[in-house]
Amino acid sequence: KNQVEQSPQSLIILEGKNCTLQCNYTVSPFSNLRWYKQDTGRGPVSLTIMTFSENTKSNGRYTATLDADTKQSSLHITASQLSDSASYICVVSDRGSTLGRLYFGRGTQLTVWP
Amino acid sequence: EADIYQTPRYLVIGTGKKITLECSQTMGHDKMYWYQQDPGMELHLIHYSYGVNSTEKGDLSSESTVSRIRTEHFPLTLESARPSHTSQYICASSSVESANTGELFFGEGSRLTVL
Repeated sequence: KNQVEQSPQSLIILEGKNCTLQCNYTVSPFSNLRWYKQDTGRGPVSLTIMTFSENTKSNGRYTATLDADTKQSSLHITASQLSDSASYICVVSDRGSTLGRLYFGRGTQLTVWP
Repeated sequence: EADIYQTPRYLVIGTGKKITLECSQTMGHDKMYWYQQDPGMELHLIHYSYGVNSTEKGDLSSESTVSRIRTEHFPLTLESARPSHTSQYICASSSVESANTGELFFGEGSRLTVL
């Protein structure tokens, strides 16, 4: 069982609407959680990082939340644009190793329609 | 934009052929990685390197091999490709500092199809 579960698997919304993507994890010990955006046929690009002490962080129209107690994170996208169509991947890093072992979710495929 | 480049972006080859996927970064990062990703699935780490002459196998077993002769270059080789090797291969790099925060800089990927 994957230690990082994302929902929904896919989502279609109309341009201008808001949406929220979910990430639940069981990784322990926890170091940080990143949300990446992966356009089709491209490599992932980091959107935001959440550390243990952070609850909310915004990056433009993207707002990430973290509840370290329940091990849940969300990514809220406001006023969606066509360019937001992509896969959004939740990545959790554990603590302790030099590599900082990364655990990848399968991503939520977001499609924004005009 | 991160300065990490992969070639070729797309490759279609026949079974039994030898292929090398190239990955280069100009950021001076010591750490480099190869991930394999199938459609709708998570990225799986297949190889990583902490520096020149250092290579390690990742979490997912792979018949591919890698080398790290130069800091900026981390090629991946399949000696005899098979249809089961069809996948997307994504290269990434990180500095020591960015690795501590879990941030990787990814290339655009190489989509390999073996017929």
